[in-house]
Amino acid sequence: QQQVKQSPQSLIVQKGGISIINCAYENTAFDYFPWYQQFPGKGPALLIAIRPDVSEKKEGRFTISFNKSAKQFSLHIMDSQPGDSATYFCAASVGSNYQLIWGAGTKLIIKP
Amino acid sequence: DAGVIQSPRHEVTEMGQEVTLRCKPISGHNSLFWYRQTMMRGLELLIYFNNNVPIDDSGMPEDRFSAKMPNASFSTLKIQPSEPRDSAVYFCASSFLGYEQYFGPGTRLTVT
Repeated sequence: QQQVKQSPQSLIVQKGGISIINCAYENTAFDYFPWYQQFPGKGPALLIAIRPDVSEKKEGRFTISFNKSAKQFSLHIMDSQPGDSATYFCAASVGSNYQLIWGAGTKLIIKP
Repeated sequence: DAGVIQSPRHEVTEMGQEVTLRCKPISGHNSLFWYRQTMMRGLELLIYFNNNVPIDDSGMPEDRFSAKMPNASFSTLKIQPSEPRDSAVYFCASSFLGYEQYFGPGTRLTVT
């Protein structure tokens, strides 16, 4: 019940296309859902996060869509660029517990 | 701010040797996390501290691993004795009141 399942494991998208990464969870107590971006040789960095009281959050080309009833959330990258090539992790946590439960990661490659 | 500082950045050691990884969190942050990242197992939380107190060490793989946080600005992760299967990238992350975690650059450990 503590797991966060992320798919796909890897993704190749043409430059200018839309990249979509999906995550699913079981624990309905989760109330914070961040996405982290990791470049090779670097630590993960927070990209965007959402709480379950909204269905969508947009920051620039990055959008989180959240479906509370389906217990799913996804990351959409619009107009994908080669610089977006990285590994993306979804995660979830319960508010008072600072421990993040991490997805397995998605390696995204944007082809020029 | 300099961000989370980890040392050393790379460590190569022989099996059976003691290894000490160091972390300086961002000033003012009150939570500190140690992670291990491998291709096979992804990103694993080893232990986290809140206000210098270990809260959850259930991710520590075995008694060979130990972590301390003697004050708010310093933490260590020690492996004694080290084994080849401990080879991984070890990340330290810190946060203020939970939620967004700021990761350090990581220590790449190779045990031969």
